[in-house]
Amino acid sequence: NAGVMQNPRHLVRRRGQEARLRCSPMKGHSHVYWYRQLPEEGLKFMVYLQKENIIDESGMPKERFSAEFPKEGPSILRIQQVVRGDSAAYFCASPRDPGGNTIYFGEGSWLTVV
Amino acid sequence: GENVGLHLPTLSVQEGDNSIINCAYSNSASDYFIWYKQESGKGPQFIIDIRSNMDKRQGQRVTVLLNKTVKHLSLQIAATQPGDSAVYFCAEKLNAGNMLTFGGGTRLMVKP
Repeated sequence: NAGVMQNPRHLVRRRGQEARLRCSPMKGHSHVYWYRQLPEEGLKFMVYLQKENIIDESGMPKERFSAEFPKEGPSILRIQQVVRGDSAAYFCASPRDPGGNTIYFGEGSWLTVV
Repeated sequence: GENVGLHLPTLSVQEGDNSIINCAYSNSASDYFIWYKQESGKGPQFIIDIRSNMDKRQGQRVTVLLNKTVKHLSLQIAATQPGDSAVYFCAEKLNAGNMLTFGGGTRLMVKP
């Protein structure tokens, strides 16, 4: 995973609860991507963040989903009032070099909504 | 809609044979492409990349070929091993864009 750390690895939530997924990019890097992967499907872009700034959120659902990357601490993907359709693997990624094209992924957070 | 697609959802090969995984893309403005390998329960693992100003790039046991005329990308794995069994994704990136767009994936199964 080239140093991209995600937690928790597995999370179970009941419908209506909130889920918070955390990501720390490669050391010294200040950009993260979040992607979602439904079972047996490819990865779908959600949001691209820089510290304290959202660069591209064109893939984020309009409601219940939000992301932040504060000056200190990890990036957080927050899902409010989860529904069963939110069950998926959520991957965080970081460019190998600042502003670079090569993107490395973390091991993912698997969200299960029961 | 998706800009990247794959011809075969599942590819089964004999151990020791060469594997070829194909990918078609529709956006001629894409100028950077990556192949990822994803094992069950893990994140996508970078395999090899190629820029649009190249048509071939080789790594260790892997080769990526890019045909811009027909917007086609392929990943060749030499002497396929059981450890190569995984889902393989191609992804494309626009020069001016920030995101990678992924295809749906091809599952490679290696028979011993």
